[in-house]
Amino acid sequence: DARVTQTPRDKVTEMGQEVTMRCQPILGHNTVFWYRQTMMQGLELLAYFRNRAPLDDSGMPKDRFSAEMPDATLATLKIQPSEPRDSAVYFCASGLKEGSYTEAFFGQGTRLTVV
Amino acid sequence: EDKVVQSPLSLVVHEGDTVTLNCSYEVTNFRSLLWYKQEKKAPTFLFMLTSSGIEKKSGRLSSILDKKELFSILNITATQTGDSAIYLCAPTSNTGKLIFGQGTTLQVKP
Repeated sequence: DARVTQTPRDKVTEMGQEVTMRCQPILGHNTVFWYRQTMMQGLELLAYFRNRAPLDDSGMPKDRFSAEMPDATLATLKIQPSEPRDSAVYFCASGLKEGSYTEAFFGQGTRLTVV
Repeated sequence: EDKVVQSPLSLVVHEGDTVTLNCSYEVTNFRSLLWYKQEKKAPTFLFMLTSSGIEKKSGRLSSILDKKELFSILNITATQTGDSAIYLCAPTSNTGKLIFGQGTTLQVKP
């Protein structure tokens, strides 16, 4: 049963602490997306990768957020230092881009609370 | 800048009603449009539309794309309480970038 796996599922941290979220994409998928979801903003695209290379991270606050893919089985999203306004659900999605089309399948998300 | 607008933002209907959800988009180098359903957790994939005028169906759900007028609709017939969810549309570009609309929150009352 292929699925996108995200860890941790829930994270509560104090303002100023570093937070790392991890994602294992579906084996064979070549595209990984990071989204943030809040009631006010909906699903915002933070960054996405193709074949482990970043294609667009313009949705990410660069001063505190960073996203990487150290290998094909792991994507990470790091926030340092975290702030209360970062509280949200962070989703990772993976997909296979064949030709021009992409589907994306979502992980269960990491609910981040910064106090 | 790419833009996706869904309407209505929320909708309350009774079981058995038919609903139509709208998605309009402006995306550079548009390639396809995806629909998702989000209940309590992660969005789950419903449809991918690539060609105008070809209806995709899955049970009581169907969807169609109009690439000339830049919109898509999602129809749900004979709604059930289990259809209550947020419905999201996401156009993709030729680079595979996937951006989402605000979603339509559908509540189906018994």
